[in-house]
Amino acid sequence: EAGVTQFPSHSVIEKGQTVTLRCDPISGHDNLYWYRRVMGKEIKFLLHFVKESKQDESGMPNNRFLAERTGGTYSTLKVQPAELEDSGVYFCASSSFGEGLNEQFFGPGTRLTVL
Amino acid sequence: AQSVTQPDIHITVSEGASLELRCNYSYGATPYLFWYVQSPGQGLQLLLKYFSGDTLVQGIKGFEAEFKRSQSSFNLRKPSVHWSDAAEYFCAVDPYSGGYQKVTFGTGTKLQVIP
Repeated sequence: EAGVTQFPSHSVIEKGQTVTLRCDPISGHDNLYWYRRVMGKEIKFLLHFVKESKQDESGMPNNRFLAERTGGTYSTLKVQPAELEDSGVYFCASSSFGEGLNEQFFGPGTRLTVL
Repeated sequence: AQSVTQPDIHITVSEGASLELRCNYSYGATPYLFWYVQSPGQGLQLLLKYFSGDTLVQGIKGFEAEFKRSQSSFNLRKPSVHWSDAAEYFCAVDPYSGGYQKVTFGTGTKLQVIP
């Protein structure tokens, strides 16, 4: 069974440019999460989809970040325009939906560098 | 708000030596507790989790963790470290309230293993 995949693995862009990160969850997982780790800091929750709906987007830093999950399958996270402080590693995770707390499976992350 | 503290940013141990990674959390009730590991170029992998019951939890790769309510701690241990254990380790908590997950991570502890 394929795990969570993320694309690209690395992205280097200049301040003011736009970048779109993609996450493909494990097939059949209704829950999809985005997290971010800024250098040296903790991994922070950004948002949570249940199928195509945003369940919780309280961690999104500002309106330069837009996440979508059309059709409840893969998700994209767009940063527009990118700022220096957006640099970090963006993780995606997915989990199945059922009774009780289900394990989140994480992707390898996308390392974003904004110059 | 919940928080997780991993006081050791970097730990170096000799191969074959024992290991203990510290984790303290702050939350009104007992949350769900996790330890994740991230090897270079890999995603976060769940080592073990505590929901309730026996306070000593066994995980994969020979790791265990002990939940101590009185100390709000969930320290990770391994009796004999292998060179392949070199990675970054994250403690995490989740209140799992309202039926949806919202994981809070610590800042991570980097483990270096020397021959």
